[in-house]
Amino acid sequence: QLQLQESGPGLVRPSETLSLTCTVSGVSIGSSDYSWGWVRQPPGKGLEWIGSIYYNGVTYYSASLKGRVTMSVDTSRNHFSLQFTSMTAADTAVYYCARGDIFTGLVWGQGTLVTVSS
Amino acid sequence: SSELTQDPAVSVALGQTVRITCQGDSLRSYYGSWYQQKPGQAPVAVIYGRNSRPSGIPDRFSGSKSGNTAALIIGGAQAEDEADYYCYCRDGNGHWVFGGGTKLTVL
Repeated sequence: QLQLQESGPGLVRPSETLSLTCTVSGVSIGSSDYSWGWVRQPPGKGLEWIGSIYYNGVTYYSASLKGRVTMSVDTSRNHFSLQFTSMTAADTAVYYCARGDIFTGLVWGQGTLVTVSS
Repeated sequence: SSELTQDPAVSVALGQTVRITCQGDSLRSYYGSWYQQKPGQAPVAVIYGRNSRPSGIPDRFSGSKSGNTAALIIGGAQAEDEADYYCYCRDGNGHWVFGGGTKLTVL
């Protein structure tokens, strides 16, 4: 059964870089059938796509966040990662990782709350 | 445009049928999917593809699509269906696109 689990710091200082990892179990991240992505949700607001990556390292990033976001994939550890630079209070949100399938849509991790505060 | 547009809020009387819509150009080329999100929880898929339900989703949930508009239909809404609903679709550039969400109130 597919499961995704986010891990990383719950608190980040302003101007610092956020690093999150999504560990995947139940399916190989090396499959060409899927994309792997990050989505965030500020408190009380909607879902915002950050970016997605394929097993071969091809990435797609949101135009509004491009320049601050870097994603990577590690097929040997079956996980993928997000680095998000220059964090501000506006980046406080629940960060979700998810698997994308062109036919069946998205399967989500449980999410992790990241607070930006000094 | 890679935007998906949803009504911010919809209400339905208990046991009645409600239709939540999502409009966007990407839907002309790709099937979307629908996600239910309750407070403090991660989104959960309720409809994907042409009109498929993941295991465990009640059959009162169904979907349809015509042109650039997708719809989530809940036939006989229950109190536990009160939640935020988001539509999603990939666009032609491989980007993930979400609607702004619809808050469903069951009266």
